[in-house]
Amino acid sequence: AQSVAQPEDQVNVAEGNPLTVKCTYSVSGNPYLFWYVQYPNRGLQFLLKYITGDNLVKGSYGFEAEFNKSQTSFHLKKPSALVSDSALYFCAVRDIVDSSYKLIFGSGTRLLVRP
Amino acid sequence: EADIYQTPRYLVIGTGKKITLECSQTMGHDKMYWYQQDPGMELHLIHYSYGVNSTEKGDLSSESTVSRIRTEHFPLTLESARPSHTSQYLCASSVPGPFSSPLHFGNGTRLTVT
Repeated sequence: AQSVAQPEDQVNVAEGNPLTVKCTYSVSGNPYLFWYVQYPNRGLQFLLKYITGDNLVKGSYGFEAEFNKSQTSFHLKKPSALVSDSALYFCAVRDIVDSSYKLIFGSGTRLLVRP
Repeated sequence: EADIYQTPRYLVIGTGKKITLECSQTMGHDKMYWYQQDPGMELHLIHYSYGVNSTEKGDLSSESTVSRIRTEHFPLTLESARPSHTSQYLCASSVPGPFSSPLHFGNGTRLTVT
């Protein structure tokens, strides 16, 4: 069965510093990987996805993510954090061998960017 | 932002009441989903639908039920609310076709059962 792990409950970073939010996955076939962000009292917003091709994927708000097949990881990154990036971040995976189209989410990581 | 609407945004209700959480999307998406988000932030799939008259239970057992009579509408019903149902409920949809399609989420309904 497919699964996603986000090992950090919270990541703290100073504004202007680079940030990384970690994600590892487990699937039977080829993964489709996604990152979402959730601001307070809102639903999830799609940030970026990896399907195939270039291992570095660029998304919204200056975020990018690096797919590493050997380490089964898909870490979210940003070169320079903003206070407004503070939010909940969710990694998600969809397994191509699972015809249900279900998206399985990690447990979430709270990002706190201090001024 | 995606055009997917959930009502009400907040609901406080007493134990034993029947409630329906509404979810509608205007994008013509065939696939729709309900996720339950607990206070610890985790998201659990409780129901999904591939289209009209199609409903499936998700990975987390839920006492709720859903229906899909129209493409744009995917309501969730609790016949008898209990405090253990207190949670945030998120509705989502996705376009027909590829596995690469992301989900579009509504803003959620925060349910409190007293």
